Amino acid sequence: TQLLEQSPQFLSIQEGENLTVYCNSSSVFSSLQWYRQEPGEGPVLLVTVVTGGEVKKLKRLTFQFGDARKDSSLHITAAQTGDTGLYLCAGANYKLSFGAGTTVTVRA
Amino acid sequence: DTGVSQDPRHKITKRGQNVTFRCDPISEHNRLYWYRQTLGQGPEFLTYFQNEAQLEKSRLLSDRFSAERPKGSFSTLEIQRTEQGDSAMYLCASSQGGGRLSYEQYFGPGTRLTVT
Repeated sequence: TQLLEQSPQFLSIQEGENLTVYCNSSSVFSSLQWYRQEPGEGPVLLVTVVTGGEVKKLKRLTFQFGDARKDSSLHITAAQTGDTGLYLCAGANYKLSFGAGTTVTVRA
Repeated sequence: DTGVSQDPRHKITKRGQNVTFRCDPISEHNRLYWYRQTLGQGPEFLTYFQNEAQLEKSRLLSDRFSAERPKGSFSTLEIQRTEQGDSAMYLCASSQGGGRLSYEQYFGPGTRLTVT
């Protein structure tokens, strides 16, 4: 059972379009992390958000942490084919509790 | 490269056999975690070590599973009498202990286990 709910489960968009992935939890975590995972590989850490209301930007990726520290979103601007992958959010209280992930496909 | 490494990357075994996986964490990290990931799901926590001490084991870790980290460096995960339900990707992660940095876990490439 996943403690974090991610939506949508699948997302397919054209290169150049924008996309948003959501992560919601009924629990409060000390921090929340976003990972990207490619087939057959381990998750790669993208960002850690800690403070309620926090917004972090990494190039075309924008991460938000909700005021109550229970929800988060990942927004990608002008998606590229290299953004294709499984995006996972994870709540951290020393161990990580993951959502089921959102599979993003960016078509050329 | 000083990232987390896992060996082997793939393992195919017959039901009932024992298997052992190895994880080498990032050298300065004192915390080491094992997760299991099945198709269509996010990773699920199995167990974690701080140095050589195993501090928590998930109820997912049945008696057939055992993990060790004898010198606080590399770790092994052994599965005895494997079952088809054990087929999954086994992921290892490490982090620095203490403070907010302890929440940032870095994963290895995983070991894909297939039980036939």
